[in-house]
Amino acid sequence: EDQVTQSPEALRLQEGESSSLNCSYTVSGLRGLFWYRQDPGKGPEFLFTLYSAGEEKEKERLKATLTKKESFLHITAPKPEDSATYLCAVQGGNTDKLIFGTGTRLQVFP
Amino acid sequence: EAGVTQSPTHLIKTRGQQATLRCSPISGHTSVYWYQQALGLGLQFLLWYDEGEERNRGNFPPRFSGRQFPNYSSELNVNALELEDSALYLCASSLARGVETQYFGPGTRLLVL
Repeated sequence: EDQVTQSPEALRLQEGESSSLNCSYTVSGLRGLFWYRQDPGKGPEFLFTLYSAGEEKEKERLKATLTKKESFLHITAPKPEDSATYLCAVQGGNTDKLIFGTGTRLQVFP
Repeated sequence: EAGVTQSPTHLIKTRGQQATLRCSPISGHTSVYWYQQALGLGLQFLLWYDEGEERNRGNFPPRFSGRQFPNYSSELNVNALELEDSALYLCASSLARGVETQYFGPGTRLLVL
């Protein structure tokens, strides 16, 4: 069964303290891995799509990487406005549906 | 460019009633997806519509149904509401079928009393 596991569940960082979020997945025929950011009570905001092992993408303080079993979201020198829940999702097989992990709740303190 | 829109933003119903949620995709997008996000749980896939046809549905009972209109907007209907149906219902759209990014709307918060 396709599955996505994210860790840690929650992460508290001091402003400027870099860290990484993990997304482990098992899926039949990975077609794409997606990272989203979700603020409380709002819809997920798209961040990155990764398609194959070895691929990396960057946007401001965020960098996403992909291996055959997991993806990492690296946050460099985070700011309080980076506080949110970060969601990882995979798309596999012959369906377009996304399978989501339960997310990592990130809090960045000044 | 306008994003995905959903209405209403909030909906309060009592057990046994029916709820109708609406979604307008990004202009030019033909695929629409519905997800349920219950408190403390991750997003669960509900339904996928493309070009007016239901392409896939998640592990939800038949009282969850929907449709896609010729203008690609979509409607999610939930019959015989139960307390556990209380959740944030999210709609997403993508440009076409395949590995296309899904862009989400703000959601409809459904509360069943």
